[in-house]
Amino acid sequence: DTGVSQDPRHKITKRGQNVTFRCDPISEHNRLYWYRQTLGQGPEFLTYFQNEAQLEKSRLLSDRFSAERPKGSFSTLEIQRTEQGDSAMYLCASSLFAGGPYEQYFGPGTRLTVT
Amino acid sequence: SQKIEQNSEALNIQEGKTATLTCNYTNYSPAYLQWYRQDPGRGPVFLLLIRENEKEKRKERLKVTFDTTLKQSLFHITASQPADSATYLCALPPDTNAGKSTFGDGTTLTVKP
Repeated sequence: DTGVSQDPRHKITKRGQNVTFRCDPISEHNRLYWYRQTLGQGPEFLTYFQNEAQLEKSRLLSDRFSAERPKGSFSTLEIQRTEQGDSAMYLCASSLFAGGPYEQYFGPGTRLTVT
Repeated sequence: SQKIEQNSEALNIQEGKTATLTCNYTNYSPAYLQWYRQDPGRGPVFLLLIRENEKEKRKERLKVTFDTTLKQSLFHITASQPADSATYLCALPPDTNAGKSTFGDGTTLTVKP
């Protein structure tokens, strides 16, 4: 297994456009998380899935953001009508949750720049 | 809500010295706490997990302590090397059965040769 992968690594888009990011987790992991990180800040939780079910979504996440994990494997994060404030690194992580403490394995991130 | 505070300033030390990073938290009693390393432009990498009933955990040159009374964890790197230069993040697990972890803003460590 090569770890968590994300695509694309970089995305430049104009304000108002829609963008979609993909995350492929470690294959046996049942949980998948999306975070957003800006310079000098720690990762900020956006949402997470257990298998295909989206179990929690941050209250900070506007209706322009949507995420899916249709078959419990890869996930997509879509941002509609992008704004300059959406510029950030979008990180995906996965973990194998079995009820106890767990570590998260992060992907390399997708850096979004909204012009 | 949970709040995490890490060293607010960057930490610069000389090679061979011990680096000590601090993580303080409030409004929470976590069952465990985690430390991650993040290099510029890359995702965080898990380093260590320490449980509430463990006072200290070691891994090679890394040592983590966890004081639940002080609500504080200390992260030590002994015999530091320039390759240890990175940002180190402290993370708290969910306070419920939810999946959300809370990360601190990290401390950037620079080890000078």
